[in-house]
Amino acid sequence: DIQMTQSPSSLSASVGDRVTISCRANQSINNYLIWYQQKPGKAPKFLIYAASTLQSGVPSRFSGSGFGTDFTLTISSLQPEDFATYYCQQSFSTLAPTFGGGTKVDIK
Amino acid sequence: EVQLLESGGGLVKPGRSVRLSCTGSGFTFFDYAVSWFRQAPGKGLEWVGIIRSRPYGGTTEYAASLRGRVSIVKDDSKGVAYLQMNSLKTEDTAVYYCSRSYYHDNTGYLSDHWGQGTLVTVSS
Repeated sequence: DIQMTQSPSSLSASVGDRVTISCRANQSINNYLIWYQQKPGKAPKFLIYAASTLQSGVPSRFSGSGFGTDFTLTISSLQPEDFATYYCQQSFSTLAPTFGGGTKVDIK
Repeated sequence: EVQLLESGGGLVKPGRSVRLSCTGSGFTFFDYAVSWFRQAPGKGLEWVGIIRSRPYGGTTEYAASLRGRVSIVKDDSKGVAYLQMNSLKTEDTAVYYCSRSYYHDNTGYLSDHWGQGTLVTVSS
């Protein structure tokens, strides 16, 4: 299976901060990278696919970048509703999609 | 509005089976695949399996760690997909989510809408 590693595992930030989360694959996955947001007790929310394409309805303060093995999720100006856990997932392997361990973003 | 609703979770004894249902509405169920994921308490997300839509063969794929104990079927006439898990172990305790999935050229299968999840607790 393709291993996905996220960093950091958690971070504390303030409203208005620029936040960057990294996701690394142990082999090239081209741009087959998805980002989700999950709030406590809720289902994951589909944010970004193909590494950088924003799902319809997702605020433009969210952006994704990367290709191959290294990817980044950026929140340009953190809002109160953005405090959550973020997961990356590779969609390169149809037979075995795998997730990163998650990055929890909480209030400083 | 696209909605998915899981049901069938609860307390199950080790070694027993459980069948979870995923009811879709607000979209043409026939046209989409259904994926299942799970999340153990306080842990990350894990893919369980997928059933492709009939136009893509209606075939299934399962996580290697679960193969042999899990099966997914899809009843397009009812708009429901089912996840059957057998020989349950305590480590199968998790919230199980279903999602609407589709194949996107050059990006693989995408799961754009998820249900709220159903908790399966495996304990004696």
